Amino acid sequence: EVRLLESGGNLVQPGGSLRLSCAASGFTFNSYAMTWVRQAPGKGLEWVSTVIGSGGDTNYADSVKGRFTISRDNSKNTLYLQMNSLRAEDTAVYYCAKGSAAAGRHYWGYWGQGTLVTVSS
Amino acid sequence: EIVLTQSPGTLSLSPGERATLSCRASQSVSSSYLAWYQQKPGQAPRLLIYGASSRATGIPDRFSGSGSGTDFTLTISRLEPEDFAVYYCQQYDSSPWTFGQGTKVEIK
Repeated sequence: EVRLLESGGNLVQPGGSLRLSCAASGFTFNSYAMTWVRQAPGKGLEWVSTVIGSGGDTNYADSVKGRFTISRDNSKNTLYLQMNSLRAEDTAVYYCAKGSAAAGRHYWGYWGQGTLVTVSS
Repeated sequence: EIVLTQSPGTLSLSPGERATLSCRASQSVSSSYLAWYQQKPGQAPRLLIYGASSRATGIPDRFSGSGSGTDFTLTISRLEPEDFAVYYCQQYDSSPWTFGQGTKVEIK
């Protein structure tokens, strides 16, 4: 059974940093791309970032480029999102999602339960 | 960037009725790289359809997807009580991967 468990969400001040983690189990982690998607309170879904299975390539939404860094540790079956220079508009539930392929075009068949990031003074 | 526009914003229907949800893309989505997700309050999204018309594992056959190019449709043939939720389309043809704004299917 595929399981994705996010952690690390918290209340942080504007300009601060936070690192999210997503512990994966139930599949061969390094064979699938992994993605972060966020959802601001009462709003729709927004893709944030994707890393391919090997970790060798990453992709970011313009809204987070230069501030967020996605990475993965395939030896620990864990996905990360390092978030720096946080802004109020980054407040959201952050979901990790498993891709349907190692790279390229893929959909997201499994999602974690999400972790809440609140950016406020 | 491919912009996805979903309509209607809200669909008010009764259990047993047919629901038809639309997703229109600002440019052609090649090879039907389009997915549909269902989201209930307080829950993560759940994949329903990928490749525009393929049902994900465990999805009941009352859910069906169709379309190509710029126009896609999600149909729920007979609404069950558990189907009242928000539905999102999403394209994975061209980065940045984008979602529609969602259609809420509510009980009439």
